[in-house]
Amino acid sequence: TQLLEQSPQFLSIQEGENLTVYCNSSSVFSSLQWYRQEPGEGPVLLVTVVTGGEVKKLKRLTFQFGDARKDSSLHITAAQPGDTGLYLCAGADSWGKLQFGAGTQVVVTP
Amino acid sequence: EAGVVQSPRYKIIEKKQPVAFWCNPISGHNTLYWYRQNLGQGPELLIRYENEEAVDDSQLPKDRFSAERLKGVDSTLKIQPAELGDSAVYLCASSSRLAGPGFVDYNEQFFGPGTRLTVL
Repeated sequence: TQLLEQSPQFLSIQEGENLTVYCNSSSVFSSLQWYRQEPGEGPVLLVTVVTGGEVKKLKRLTFQFGDARKDSSLHITAAQPGDTGLYLCAGADSWGKLQFGAGTQVVVTP
Repeated sequence: EAGVVQSPRYKIIEKKQPVAFWCNPISGHNTLYWYRQNLGQGPELLIRYENEEAVDDSQLPKDRFSAERLKGVDSTLKIQPAELGDSAVYLCASSSRLAGPGFVDYNEQFFGPGTRLTVL
């Protein structure tokens, strides 16, 4: 059972469009991480957010941590085919143990 | 710097057979994790090692799964006997930080490519 709910499960967009992926939970986390996973590979860490209300930007990716530290969003501006992948959020407890969501599969077509 | 190495990359076995997976973490990383990722799901933690000690194995099905990290470096995960429901990708990850109460800093885990297990 995934404690973190990600939505949507699947997203297909054209190159140049914007997209937002959501990660929601009823639990409070010490920190929240976003990963991208490509076929046949393990997840790769994109960002960690720690403070409620925190916003981090990584080039065209914007990550936000909710004020109550229960939810997060990932926004991609002007998506490119290289952004295609499975985006996973993971909440960390005070011991650093991660709970992953089921992921959002993003497909960006040229 | 080499990443986390896992072998084999793929394994197909018949049910009731044993299977083993091997992981070599990033050099110097004290903490090692084994995860299972079912199709369409995120990874779920099976066991976490700090050096050679298994500090969290609460989600490891101990009737058929076992793991070891004898010298605190590489690790093996074994399933005996395998069942159809064990088909999944088994991921190994490592990190350089030891977790503990009051942990406030992030703990970046570096994942290997995984072993895709198919049980027929």
